[in-house]
Amino acid sequence: EIQLQESGPGLVKPSQSLSLTCSVTGYTITSGYDWSWIRKFPGNKMEWMGYISYSGSTNYNPSLKSRISITRDTSKNQFFLQLNSVTTEDTATYYCASQADYGYPFDYWGQGVMVTVSS
Amino acid sequence: DIQMTQSPASLSASLGETVSIECLASEDIYSNLAWYQQKPGKSPQLLIYYASSLQDGVPSRFSGSESGTQYSLEINSLQPEDEGDYFCQQSYKFPPTFGGGTKLELK
Repeated sequence: EIQLQESGPGLVKPSQSLSLTCSVTGYTITSGYDWSWIRKFPGNKMEWMGYISYSGSTNYNPSLKSRISITRDTSKNQFFLQLNSVTTEDTATYYCASQADYGYPFDYWGQGVMVTVSS
Repeated sequence: DIQMTQSPASLSASLGETVSIECLASEDIYSNLAWYQQKPGKSPQLLIYYASSLQDGVPSRFSGSESGTQYSLEINSLQPEDEGDYFCQQSYKFPPTFGGGTKLELK
């Protein structure tokens, strides 16, 4: 079974970059699936941020396009989120998730990591 | 972006009751709607996809339906383990968007 686990700092200062890692077990990220980052804000609003596909192509939410980068390390079976110039409005729980292809539901999710943006 | 308006924001029900949660899409999403359950401290779990298809391993007391742009999740015969948050998500149009969530509490 596919398992995903997020990791990264729980506190980031405003204007800095937020960097998170998603470690995948039970499946090789180059074999298939799109690998997404999704966040849940305080108050429960959820936002899909973007994905990296099994082939390495990326697609981002236009609301974040200038600040977001999703990359991967295939040797470690990990993919990464970098979000630049963060503000307090980026405080959220960040999840990594997988979907069989764009348009399919997200069938595997990580447990989430809470990130607070504060000085 | 397609807006998904989910209701109610919270509900309280008793064991054995049947409850319904709604999501209204701002435009036609042609059944491209999934429902998820999230228990406290846990990752979201896919319940229903393509509006009414039950994910493997999900109890049959969960069901999904649609009427135009309104989508519903029904939970029959509520069990203690059904307590948690529920949310919908459309995947018809880019970017995928989510409903605001429903918190289900057992009385």
